[in-house]
Amino acid sequence: ELKVEQNPLFLSMQEGKNYTIYCNYSTTSDRLYWYRQDPGKSLESLFVLLSNGAVKQEGRLMASLDTKARLSTLHITAAVHDLSATYFCAVSNSGYALNFGKGTSLLVTP
Amino acid sequence: ETGVTQTPRHLVMGMTNKKSLKCEQHLGHNAMYWYKQSAKKPLELMFVYNFKEQTENNSVPSRFSPECPNSSHLFLHLHTLQPEDSALYLCASSQDPRTDTQYFGPGTRLTVL
Repeated sequence: ELKVEQNPLFLSMQEGKNYTIYCNYSTTSDRLYWYRQDPGKSLESLFVLLSNGAVKQEGRLMASLDTKARLSTLHITAAVHDLSATYFCAVSNSGYALNFGKGTSLLVTP
Repeated sequence: ETGVTQTPRHLVMGMTNKKSLKCEQHLGHNAMYWYKQSAKKPLELMFVYNFKEQTENNSVPSRFSPECPNSSHLFLHLHTLQPEDSALYLCASSQDPRTDTQYFGPGTRLTVL
């Protein structure tokens, strides 16, 4: 069974600071996704990472993938309040299913 | 309407009621999904339909019954639910279930009394 672990599960950070969210998974995967969920809203796709060493950036968020370590990171640069949300990683093992982590609840404070 | 829509957004039902959740995707995708999001648990995949055919049933109790009449519409029929079934039910769609990003609807918040 493919297991996905995120840490931390809760993160409070000050505006302007940098931080990294980690996503570990237990078996080989061909795709890894990062999603964002605002309170009471649906999941919004942020990134899809397909190969070892893949790096994608959008604004203050940068995601990377190390398939050998079975690890993805979501790096936040100079956080702003608008980034407050829950971030999920999800991993596919070539089947139809996406296996999600529990999510990281991020709160950015002034 | 754009993207993936779900109705109703909120639903309260008793354990003896029968209700249905509706999902519609306006993206021209071929695959549709039902997920359950409970507090303190990861999103759980319930069902997958590809070209209207059910391809995955993730050991879901029979009190949840999916229906996919065409590639744009997906229903989840509910009957004799339990309080532990209270959760956010999310619908998603994708072009190819094996390779493509899934796009999610806003969800239906279900409360079972």
